[in-house]
Amino acid sequence: GESVGLHLPTLSVQEGDNSIINCAYSNSASDYFIWYKQESGKGPQFIIDIRSNMDKRQGQRVTVLLNKTVKHLSLQIAATQPGDSAVYFCAENIEGGSYIPTFGRGTSLIVHP
Amino acid sequence: ETGVTQTPRHLVMGMTNKKSLKCEQHLGHNAMYWYKQSAKKPLELMFVYNFKEQTENNSVPSRFSPECPNSSHLFLHLHTLQPEDSALYLCASSPRGNGGNTIYFGEGSWLTVV
Repeated sequence: GESVGLHLPTLSVQEGDNSIINCAYSNSASDYFIWYKQESGKGPQFIIDIRSNMDKRQGQRVTVLLNKTVKHLSLQIAATQPGDSAVYFCAENIEGGSYIPTFGRGTSLIVHP
Repeated sequence: ETGVTQTPRHLVMGMTNKKSLKCEQHLGHNAMYWYKQSAKKPLELMFVYNFKEQTENNSVPSRFSPECPNSSHLFLHLHTLQPEDSALYLCASSPRGNGGNTIYFGEGSWLTVV
């Protein structure tokens, strides 16, 4: 599969601020995208997903934006809390295909109290 | 509780040892995966099993031997490993072993080869 990458390896924010984590993908055929959160010493945990027929999806304090034109997605975390400190991965996928999701290195989010 | 349980959580083994990692999923999924996660590297897909059949072997050395007796259980047998094999080994499952699926991970098994 083609590569999935993240723009910034580390993002530091103050508690209460909004965080934006970006992800670029290169496979224009990808139509399903997932964000994962990995806390220290734990496995990646599903946060939110989005399909290509949408450009925005909201969860609890999180919003994912998809821009298919520039092959970019972002994860926005509102009112960031210390418990949000983790590494965040995006994964891209093709629905119905045999393509297994691949992951970038991740962005480390550090939230300062 | 992720629905994917891995044991042991930590394992230290010598290069001549034989050990196994175990994974069990309680999500009713049909596909299971092994990933390797090393420091400062992306997640590396190792093996995929779909309906108990291996559908992906991502050029993994033969010292790693997977076994999938049924859709709920997955093993990774380890034999004559090298120190560079020390990593976090993540098991995962998904409804099917193809696209459009969300993959759910276990907490991982930390392996140290001495």
